[in-house]
Amino acid sequence: DQQVKQNSPSLSVQEGRISILNCDYTNSMFDYFLWYKKYPAEGPTFLISISSIKDKNEDGRFTVFLNKSAKHLSLHIVPSQPGDSAVYFCAALQGGSEKLVFGKGTKLTVNP
Amino acid sequence: GAVVSQHPSRVICKSGTSVKIECRSLDFQATTMFWYRQFPKQSLMLMATSNEGSKATYEQGVEKDKFLINHASLTLSTLTVTSAHPEDSSFYICSAGDSRSWTYEQYFGPGTRLTVT
Repeated sequence: DQQVKQNSPSLSVQEGRISILNCDYTNSMFDYFLWYKKYPAEGPTFLISISSIKDKNEDGRFTVFLNKSAKHLSLHIVPSQPGDSAVYFCAALQGGSEKLVFGKGTKLTVNP
Repeated sequence: GAVVSQHPSRVICKSGTSVKIECRSLDFQATTMFWYRQFPKQSLMLMATSNEGSKATYEQGVEKDKFLINHASLTLSTLTVTSAHPEDSSFYICSAGDSRSWTYEQYFGPGTRLTVT
């Protein structure tokens, strides 16, 4: 049973527009969430994270929103750039554990 | 940010042979490292947690005698795929957390593409 779900395998947006990547989780014990970006044949690169005590965290063009009651988080990229094209993984941590639980990823394509 | 390296980046081996993959934290010490496996269009699946100076902790369904993990120092963990078979062909990635950091970020290596023929 997948505890972290990214239901959209792919997303395509125009350069300059907003990209919204969604992630749902089922384990209410998760209390820290991370987004990673991955290019083919490379390891994931950390993007941004959020603690369950917050509902928003912003870093430059990237903003992560957390809705604990809905067990839902989203990553907003504004404005989107062609270099943002990659696979984005949502990951979650349970308090006291270092084990990341990953979603299946969403492939983002930003068209020039 | 912290840097994690992996070697080799790509390896092709014959069925029945063993392959060793190295994971190094270059500018920080990592008491714990993690080994993942990724199949095409799938998520990263945690295989095992590598603890410096002690035995690795394997996830359910991962054969510990087939995937040998050694965490010899605070900067080096190795994964050995023993008696490799074509079904072991995959992308293997390691990660480590920087114990100096107050966040829970894990830093990933660039991955190793293993092809067993």
